[in-house]
Amino acid sequence: SQTIHQWPATLVQPVGSPLSLECTVEGTSNPNLYWYRQAAGRGLQLLFYSVGIGQISSEVPQNLSASRPQDRQFILSSKKLLLSDSGFYLCAWSAGPNQPQHFGDGTRLSIL
Amino acid sequence: TQLLEQSPQFLSIQEGENLTVYCNSSSVFSSLQWYRQEPGEGPVLLVTVVTGGEVKKLKRLTFQFGDARKDSSLHITAAQPGDTGLYLCAGEPIGSQGNLIFGKGTKLSVKP
Repeated sequence: SQTIHQWPATLVQPVGSPLSLECTVEGTSNPNLYWYRQAAGRGLQLLFYSVGIGQISSEVPQNLSASRPQDRQFILSSKKLLLSDSGFYLCAWSAGPNQPQHFGDGTRLSIL
Repeated sequence: TQLLEQSPQFLSIQEGENLTVYCNSSSVFSSLQWYRQEPGEGPVLLVTVVTGGEVKKLKRLTFQFGDARKDSSLHITAAQPGDTGLYLCAGEPIGSQGNLIFGKGTKLSVKP
């Protein structure tokens, strides 16, 4: 069966520090991968998606970047965090575009 | 812009009551999914509906896809505290080659 792992579960970082959140999927090949940010009352905001290794599409201009160094690994990064980067970050995978998505347990990021 | 509007935004009920939450759009969707998200966790897929007028049942949960495939509803019978969570609908706009569109969710609280 397929599983998705996302870590860390919580993270507290100072403003201006770098960020690296990692997501890995097991039990499937060539998944579509997604990074979302979820703020209270705003639903899920799609940040990045990837249809293959090295292929990243950005949905919104922002202070973050994403990379897919391996088929089942998706990384969310920042060189310098802003206060506005605080939030709940979710990684997800699907078998293809518009297919049901399966989410990790999320990372609660707090910027101080 | 294709939007999925969910209502109500918040719902607080007593254990044993019935409830219905709605997901509406002016766009036609090829399929629509419902997810439930508990605090501090990622959304979990409950059901996918693909045919206009389709009704699916999952224990005490009944999902319906509108005949015109522009809307969907989720009805819970005899709600229990374990039903508490954020219910999200997500859809694949017809003809779309892009990603799922998510509603902002209905936050349900079932009190014992």
